[in-house]
Amino acid sequence: DGGITQSPKYLFRKEGQNVTLSCEQNLNHDAMYWYRQDPGQGLRLIYYSQIVNDFQKGDIAEGYSVSREKKESFPLTVTSAQKNPTAFYLCASSITGRLSQNYGYTFGSGTRLTVV
Amino acid sequence: AQTVTQSQPEMSVQEAETVTLSCTYDTSESDYYLFWYKQPPSRQMILVIRQEAYKQQNATENRFSVNFQKAAKSFSLKISDSQLGDAAMYFCCYYGGSQGNLIFGKGTKLSVKP
Repeated sequence: DGGITQSPKYLFRKEGQNVTLSCEQNLNHDAMYWYRQDPGQGLRLIYYSQIVNDFQKGDIAEGYSVSREKKESFPLTVTSAQKNPTAFYLCASSITGRLSQNYGYTFGSGTRLTVV
Repeated sequence: AQTVTQSQPEMSVQEAETVTLSCTYDTSESDYYLFWYKQPPSRQMILVIRQEAYKQQNATENRFSVNFQKAAKSFSLKISDSQLGDAAMYFCCYYGGSQGNLIFGKGTKLSVKP
């Protein structure tokens, strides 16, 4: 079945560590996205990529980094510069980033990151 | 910048009754899309319904329908014959060309009473 796989489901990070969240899709979607979800905040965009080898910062990119070397993969690294990383992280993809073909996003099941 | 506002943090409905969730948005664009997503306790985000701004006809998906008022920039979701499985967070979302990504409201938590 086609879909988006996020791993791990739960992740614990020590102060000062970098951690990487995995996101893989087999939907042949061009565009991929990372969102952060906090209670009462809705979802806020961290980074997005509309094509391989290209990505743009979202609203809260500070302390995060991404890469898009393959169409299927869009990993997110939470660096030690992110002062409050404890949150639920959602990865999503869409057929294309173009307005004319927007059918909405398909989401992964999320990763819960906790700083210990 | 575009914004999406959901003014009801929490709502409650009796099973089999009808409930309407409110959403307003702000944009200067004429061409865009609007969505309602559902996030149950499993936290899996599920697309409920989609509306294209250039279409005047309101979208409908089984028990879910929208009231799209473009001039008023309003996009409410009506759930008919509510079921226990409808209990979830509901997010109203906007997608416009200049933004290039989905903008979320803060959500409405819907409870369904048996």
